[in-house]
Amino acid sequence: QVQLQESGPGLVKPSETLSLTCSVSGGSINSYYWSWIRQPAGKGLEWIGRIYTSGSTNYNPSLGSRVTMSVDTSKNQFSLKLSSVTAADTAVYYCARQDSAEYFFDYWGQGTLVTVSS
Amino acid sequence: QPVLTQPTSLSASPGASARFTCTLRSGINVGTSRIYWYQQKPGSLPRYLLRYKSDSDAQQGSGVPSRFSGSKDASTNAGLLLISGLQSEDEADYYCAIWYSSAWVFGGGTKLTVL
Repeated sequence: QVQLQESGPGLVKPSETLSLTCSVSGGSINSYYWSWIRQPAGKGLEWIGRIYTSGSTNYNPSLGSRVTMSVDTSKNQFSLKLSSVTAADTAVYYCARQDSAEYFFDYWGQGTLVTVSS
Repeated sequence: QPVLTQPTSLSASPGASARFTCTLRSGINVGTSRIYWYQQKPGSLPRYLLRYKSDSDAQQGSGVPSRFSGSKDASTNAGLLLISGLQSEDEADYYCAIWYSSAWVFGGGTKLTVL
């Protein structure tokens, strides 16, 4: 069974860079799209972006150039960096896998709360 | 105008049917869009329910009961999620999503109350 686990600081200061890593176990990271999705408390889902194991990326245009994703296939991990954070970036951050045939999000990490505060 | 618009809330009685709408922004044709639906119960991860483009291009999530189904309303440019025989366990937030302009877009979600 594929499992995803997010890791990274739970508290980030305003204007700094949020960095998270998603570790994939129980299956290969290869040949899938891997996404980051966030959810502020009491609010809806927002897709941040995705990366393919080749390294190609798509990002949410609303987040502009603040987002950078990378993948390390040797470690079965992929990562997110979100720069110049503000309180509006406070949310639970999920990593998720896209099914290779139908493209829905089939596996999700448990989510990690990131709070932006000084 | 958001890409996808969902009503904030919906309530229905046990055993009744619920109809969720996901209205696509003007200029985005529901007829050519694959609409994905997710369910999220409080404190839980989102769960994929189904995908619908047409009756011949639809996919049900693994283990999702057949009382969950998809449809479209071309007259309002909306994707629909239909749940029949509502049960108390269906109380949750429901999100639609599409792949649009090289990005995944989620609707704001509809909270279903079963009372």
